[in-house]
Amino acid sequence: QVQLVQSGAEVKKPGASVKVSCKASGYTFTSYDINWVRQATGQGLEWMGWMNPNSGNTGYAQKFQGRVTMTRNTSISTAYMELSSLRSEDTAVYYCARGAGSSGFDYWGQGTLVTVSS
Amino acid sequence: SYVLTQPPSVSVAPGQTARITCGGNNIGSKSVHWYQQKPGQAPVLVVYDDSDRPSGIPERFSGSNSGNTATLTISRVEAGDEADYYCQVWDSSSEVFGGGTKLTVL
Repeated sequence: QVQLVQSGAEVKKPGASVKVSCKASGYTFTSYDINWVRQATGQGLEWMGWMNPNSGNTGYAQKFQGRVTMTRNTSISTAYMELSSLRSEDTAVYYCARGAGSSGFDYWGQGTLVTVSS
Repeated sequence: SYVLTQPPSVSVAPGQTARITCGGNNIGSKSVHWYQQKPGQAPVLVVYDDSDRPSGIPERFSGSNSGNTATLTISRVEAGDEADYYCQVWDSSSEVFGGGTKLTVL
């Protein structure tokens, strides 16, 4: 069965960077895009960007341009999202989600809580 | 940037029909997806491409899209349907989510 398993919770200081991993299993990793979506407590879903694991091509939401980097290691079917220059407003649960082309995000990771606090 | 507008809340009695709207400029020309999110859980895709259901999603969940409004319809609402619901579209090289609607089952 398809699974996306994310790394554990992180606590970071303002100005630091965080790197969240998303390990895929149950399907061919390079056949589907990986998207990253975040959600602050009590707030809605916010899309951050996508990555094609086959080519490594990426597309980022304008809000995160210059601060986010999405990469992958195909040998271990794992995608990564790194967010830099963290501020308190970046405190949120970060999700990876498999993009099924024009069919939405059909599988999601369990979420990773990133807390930014001095 | 493209904006999707959802009502903050919708309430419905068990067994009745819930309709959750998602407004956007000419949204009828786009493919709309809907997600259900229960507290403490990741979102779950319940309708994709306006009106298709992923496997395992009950037939009670259906969708439509025309003009400036897309609608998620939940028939014969059950207590377990109480959740937040989000619409999503792709526009100008970005995914866009609606603000979400909290469905309360009375």
